[in-house]
Amino acid sequence: DGGITQSPKYLFRKEGQNVTLSCEQNLNHDAMYWYRQDPGQGLRLIYYSQIVNDFQKGDIAEGYSVSREKKESFPLTVTSAQKNPTAFYLCASEGASNEKLFFGSGTQLSVL
Amino acid sequence: GESVGLHLPTLSVQEGDNSIINCAYSNSASDYFIWYKQESGKGPQFIIDIRSNMDKRQGQRVTVLLNKTVKHLSLQIAATQPGDSAVYFCAENQVSGDQFYFGTGTSLTVIP
Repeated sequence: DGGITQSPKYLFRKEGQNVTLSCEQNLNHDAMYWYRQDPGQGLRLIYYSQIVNDFQKGDIAEGYSVSREKKESFPLTVTSAQKNPTAFYLCASEGASNEKLFFGSGTQLSVL
Repeated sequence: GESVGLHLPTLSVQEGDNSIINCAYSNSASDYFIWYKQESGKGPQFIIDIRSNMDKRQGQRVTVLLNKTVKHLSLQIAATQPGDSAVYFCAENQVSGDQFYFGTGTSLTVIP
């Protein structure tokens, strides 16, 4: 997985519950990204962070939140405001601007 | 066989044949392109990349061709093997951009 670890592999959310997906990288990369993948669709950007303590909304940020307190970690919280959270979530990091992304193994989130 | 990623999302080839997977991109300012391979339930894996100052780049059993005139990218896999069965998608970026844009992908099935 190129030094990026996502956990858990599978996650279940009850209605009204917030859940947090973990993403840790040991590649010393500055930039980190969260994508959502739905069947038959391309990856859609949720949030990204170019540097510690800074992050920007992507194309589908509503119902999600992130933090970047450490360079190695970029957790994603799926809040109760996200009404259709079932999807495969992918975390990625980038070593330098305009270089390839390294992806984690993903977290499948489902609603109970 | 040949596949246009957005219009024909599946491609079946016989083991040992060559595969060609296509991707049309829309942003003429994009200058960096990547092909990823994604197996079911896993994160995308980097295959090969190319920058806009090149028309062709070769890797091990894979070749990427870039036609900037018609904004078209293709991935050629030589002597396709069962282990090549996966979804393949392209990604584009530009030097001044903050994010990658991903195609929907083409599902490649190798028939033994």
